[in-house]
Order: sequence, then C-alpha cells, then structure tokens
Amino acid sequence: SSELTQDPAVSVALGQTVRITCQGDSLRNYYATWYQQKPGQAPVLVIYDKNNRPSGIPDRFSGSSSGNTASLTITGAQAEDEADYYCNSRDSSGYHVVFGGGTKLTVL
Amino acid sequence: QVQLVQSGAEVKKPGASVKVSCKASGYSFISYGISWVRQAPGQGLEWMGWISADNGNTNYAQKLQGRVTMTTDTSTSTAYMEMRSLRSDDTAVYYCARHIAVGRDWYFDLWGRGTLVTVSS
Repeated sequence: SSELTQDPAVSVALGQTVRITCQGDSLRNYYATWYQQKPGQAPVLVIYDKNNRPSGIPDRFSGSSSGNTASLTITGAQAEDEADYYCNSRDSSGYHVVFGGGTKLTVL
Repeated sequence: QVQLVQSGAEVKKPGASVKVSCKASGYSFISYGISWVRQAPGQGLEWMGWISADNGNTNYAQKLQGRVTMTTDTSTSTAYMEMRSLRSDDTAVYYCARHIAVGRDWYFDLWGRGTLVTVSS
C-alpha cells in the first residue's frame, strides 16, 4: 500500500503529553517526516530523519518509529501547538511521496 | 534570507491551463530539488511531483501524469509548475517546497506561502 493513515483528531490538556501516529507499509523502509500546519499558513517541518528537529523547533517535539508505525510526541503541549499535523514518506515504490491525511490537534 | 516566493492567485476557467512560479533566494538553487504540493479547501496535503533543479529530471505523481509539467530556470533560480485541462477539483492552494533527497529519506524543509488557484466557470 502507498497510503499513510493518521487519526483525524486528537486532543491534549495543556502541559500534558500527546502522541500522534502515522501507519503505513512504506514506513517499514522509510522514516516518516512530520509537518505542522496552522490555519492559513504553509506547513512547517518539525521532525525529519525519524527524530531530528530543524533549528527553531522546540525540543518538546520528538519522533519515533516501530515497524509500520511512526509517532510524533509532544511532551508538555502548549497552546501554540494547536494545529494540523501531517506525516509523509517515500511510498513503497520509493519513487513517489505520500502524505497522511492529517491529524487536527486540539490543546484543551 | 532563505525563502521561496510564489506568484499570485489565479482564477481559471475549466479546461484552461495555469503556470505557477516559485523563486528561490538565499541558497544554492541547483543544490536541491523542488517539490510541488497542493491542498484543496479544507483537505489534506497532496504531493504532485518534484524536479531536480540541477539536471531538470522530474518525477510526477501518477494521478497527475500527462497534465502537469514542472520546469526550472536556473538563471533566475525559479521553478515553475504548469497544469493543463483544469477541472473544478483542481481548485487548491499550490505550494512549492525545497526537496531534500539525502540518503534514504526525502523531506521538505522550506515552503513557499502558497498560490491559490481557483477553477470556476
């Protein structure tokens, strides 16, 4: 399969830890990359190469992977983390890119 | 300043073509690829394809093969995405993104602000 599956919506209490998951066959061969998108804005890279953060991304964001599932964990979620989160990776063929459907994170 | 600056919004009739530009600055244009990603209103992200800026090699999503062409002009550090035979479901924000292809994984570390393309009769 060339699809990546994400839960449509997740919520977390302010200051608590939340995990957003991404499942797909391609993740057995390729790491997931994670993007944050706020309303009306372009996506922003938050995790690449399994668990690397670009400069400027807080260290409360981390990534992990096991089998066909990748996870983005936010430890101590802040109000400004409320956004849509998308995973992507190369697809199973290796020649194309596939995105997950996105997870809307609500910080309560 | 490292950035990608996209052209402005477009309104097109069904069956027409559109060409969106993406001008890179602040980095070596030919050292990276450019991917194009679109997002229909209220929907998720859809990868359209990518182009290697140094040699012009392209790789398009199967769904769009035959309707999309990606090109670059290295003299102006600008990438272009042209889509033909537009339909109403092509209405979307079109993003360009710097495509990193190092090692096993690909990812997009720099994004343009997006170009809204509206297809309507």
